[in-house]
Order: sequence, then structure tokens, then C-alpha cells
Amino acid sequence: ELKVEQNPLFLSMQEGKNYTIYCNYSTTSDRLYWYRQDPGKSLESLFVLLSNGAVKQEGRLMASLDTKARLSTLHITAAVHDLSATYFCAVGAYSGAGSYQLTFGKGTKLSVIP
Amino acid sequence: DSGVTQTPKHLITATGQRVTLRCSPRSGDLSVYWYQQSLDQGLQFLIQYYNGEERAKGNILERFSAQQFPDLHSELNLSSLELGDSALYFCASSVRPGVGTEAFFGQGTRLTVV
Repeated sequence: ELKVEQNPLFLSMQEGKNYTIYCNYSTTSDRLYWYRQDPGKSLESLFVLLSNGAVKQEGRLMASLDTKARLSTLHITAAVHDLSATYFCAVGAYSGAGSYQLTFGKGTKLSVIP
Repeated sequence: DSGVTQTPKHLITATGQRVTLRCSPRSGDLSVYWYQQSLDQGLQFLIQYYNGEERAKGNILERFSAQQFPDLHSELNLSSLELGDSALYFCASSVRPGVGTEAFFGQGTRLTVV
């Protein structure tokens, strides 16, 4: 069974600071997704990482993928309040039954404080 | 707006009742996924359909069932509801199931069982 672990689960950071969220997964996959969710809202796709060494950046967020270490990181640069949300990583992999599924981590709740 | 439409947005019902949640995928998407999000379990994959056929099953209870219709909309039926079924139910769609395809999420249906 594929396991996806995110840490930290809760993150309180000051505006202007940098931080990294980590996503570890337990089985071979080279497809990793990051989503953002605001309270009570839907999941918004942030990044799709499709190969080892992939790095994508959008504004103050940068995501990377190391398939050998089974690790993805989401780096936040100079945080601003608008980044406060819950961030999920999801790993795509084929299940034992041969179907392709996304398995989500528990999410990292980020609070950016002035 | 992801293009995935879910109705209703909110639903309050009593234990033992049955409800139906509806999802219209993005135009052109053939695959529909259902997820349950609760505070203690996080985002759990329930079931996936592709072009009208069930493709994958996750942690879906026997009291729950789903189908995808010829027009590609999908319905999730929840019966004999229990308090623990209270959660946010998301539908997502993608062009097809499989490696590298990105899933787009609807706004969710918040189900409260009282």
C-alpha cells in the first residue's frame, strides 16, 4: 500500500521568512502533484512534477522531485499572508489491481503571521 | 473555477437516510474520481470511473455506491448514513486515468449527518 507522509503537518511562519514542506512516499512513482486548499474550499492544482529532478516555480513557491529518494519538497520564499492555506502532496501510482490512483498526504496547514 | 461542478454544496440529513451527490466533469474529461475528506482521515480515495465504467475502488464502504452516466456525469449514493459519514466529498475529473494526467477538483459537497 502506497503511503505518503508530509511534514510538518502544521507550520506557523512569519511573513518574509523561508520554509520547506517535505513529502515522502513509499513506492516507486515519478508523478507527484501539489495542491492548495483554502478553508472550506476545493483543491487547487499548483504543480505537476513528472520526472526525476523536476523543478517548478510559481511566484513564491517552488516544488522539486527526487524520485530516487522518493521525496518532494515545496519551498516557500519570503512568505506572505496570502499563502496561508493547507498544502497537499499527492503521488500517482498504479495499484495492485492495475489501476492508476492518486494517494494524498495528510496536508500541511500553513499560517503566515505578520 | 476548475470546470468541475458538484451539487449540492451543502447537505444536512439525519442518520439512516440516503443521499445522492452529483458531479459534472470538465468538458472533455472522461474520468471521474470521488474523494472523502474528513478531519481525522484526511483525503481518502473512494472510487474512480472512466467513460462509464468503474476503474478503481479505494476505501469505499459497502453502504456507498457510485455510477457514471452516458453523459459522463457521476453520482455518489450514500445510504444508511451514520454520524461518521459527515465530511466534505470531492469529485475530480481528468481527461483519462493514468500517468501524468492532472485531476481537477470540484468545490465539494459538505455533508452533515445529524
